[in-house]
Amino acid sequence: EAGVAQSPRYKIIEKRQSVAFWCNPISGHATLYWYQQILGQGPKLLIQFQNNGVVDDSQLPKDRFSAERLKGVDSTLKIQPAKLEDSAVYLCASSFGDNYGYTFGSGTRLTVV
Amino acid sequence: GNSVTQMEGPVTLSEEAFLTINCTYTATGYPSLFWYVQYPGEGLQLLLKATKADDKGSNKGFEATYRKETTSFHLEKGSVQVSDSAVYFCALSKDNQGGKLIFGQGTELSVKP
Repeated sequence: EAGVAQSPRYKIIEKRQSVAFWCNPISGHATLYWYQQILGQGPKLLIQFQNNGVVDDSQLPKDRFSAERLKGVDSTLKIQPAKLEDSAVYLCASSFGDNYGYTFGSGTRLTVV
Repeated sequence: GNSVTQMEGPVTLSEEAFLTINCTYTATGYPSLFWYVQYPGEGLQLLLKATKADDKGSNKGFEATYRKETTSFHLEKGSVQVSDSAVYFCALSKDNQGGKLIFGQGTELSVKP
């Protein structure tokens, strides 16, 4: 089966610019997650969707980050305006909504200069 | 709150050496425990998991036992190979949180021929 697709693979932007990442989960996976992985740290959950509804966005910096999952399939994560500390790998994952069938994409590496 | 602590890396071993990477957790109730591996340039992959106390997860020669009395889930392998060089992440998930994962900071393993 196809994996979790993410694009772009790499992105370099200047601070205060905006950027968007795209994720297409595994077909049939109702739950979609966005994680932020800063260099040298473990991934941290930013937002979790169940179908097209938000389940958990408690760790999302809502003043600059936004995410949507229209139609309950693919998802977009946006940062506007970006800060230097947003430099990280942004990982998308999907699952059936529990501990099983959890699959990560390869991630988007963002560098803010 | 729930958290995971791993031994710091990097860990450097010679081929065929014995590997232990320590992982302890803090959580209420009975979380599920996981080890994920991230090979250079690739996404996170599930290595093994255990869902209840005294369970042993195993895969590719790696194993870890869920020890509730010591709140630990140490990763072991009897004889490492150069191809095992990667970053290893310990993680936990609570069954009532829809698959949300809480990760440790990761331990980089480098195996020399």
